[in-house]
Amino acid sequence: QQQVKQSPQSLIVQKGGISIINCAYENTAFDYFPWYQQFPGKGPALLIAIRPDVSEKKEGRFTISFNKSAKQFSLHIMDSQPGDSATYFCAASKGGNTGKLIFGQGTTLQVKP
Amino acid sequence: DAEITQSPRHKITETGRQVTLACHQTWNHNNMFWYRQDLGHGLRLIHYSYGVQDTNKGEVSDGYSVSRSNTEDLPLTLESAASSQTSVYFCASSPDAYTGELFFGEGSRLTVL
Repeated sequence: QQQVKQSPQSLIVQKGGISIINCAYENTAFDYFPWYQQFPGKGPALLIAIRPDVSEKKEGRFTISFNKSAKQFSLHIMDSQPGDSATYFCAASKGGNTGKLIFGQGTTLQVKP
Repeated sequence: DAEITQSPRHKITETGRQVTLACHQTWNHNNMFWYRQDLGHGLRLIHYSYGVQDTNKGEVSDGYSVSRSNTEDLPLTLESAASSQTSVYFCASSPDAYTGELFFGEGSRLTVL
């Protein structure tokens, strides 16, 4: 019930392509869904977040798609660049709490030039 | 610039020893968190605090303790280190529990032999 399942574990995309990472959850009480980006040797940093009152949120090349009925959300990276190569974590929380997060297992993205 | 710093960045210790990881933030954030990161598990919440003298257990709190005597610091103590506590530990802070972004430090890599 508390888990957030993330896939794929790793992803290789050509420069200019679309990267898609998926997450699924069980707990219907979750109401805040952020994505964090982490570069090697650094701490995670917030990339984009969504609340369930909208089905999509876009910031630049990054888009979250949210499907409340399926209890799934995904991150789309358009026009992927080598600088996007990092580990991406989805997360979820209850009560809109932005700090008490349940994280997915992480996806390592490599964008080939 | 305001920041969040962790020390030490790397530590090797022996089973049974007490270890303290320091976390210091200069943003004056009320909310502070400790997470551990392990392959295949993403990040998991250990302890968190919403203000001075406030501490709460997270998802994986057994064997860990924290104290909050001022706004800036939330040290994490492993009372008797175990090999299962070998991990990368991240401290984070946020200005508001429900709207604020979570800011992470750069992590402390702990090896328990």
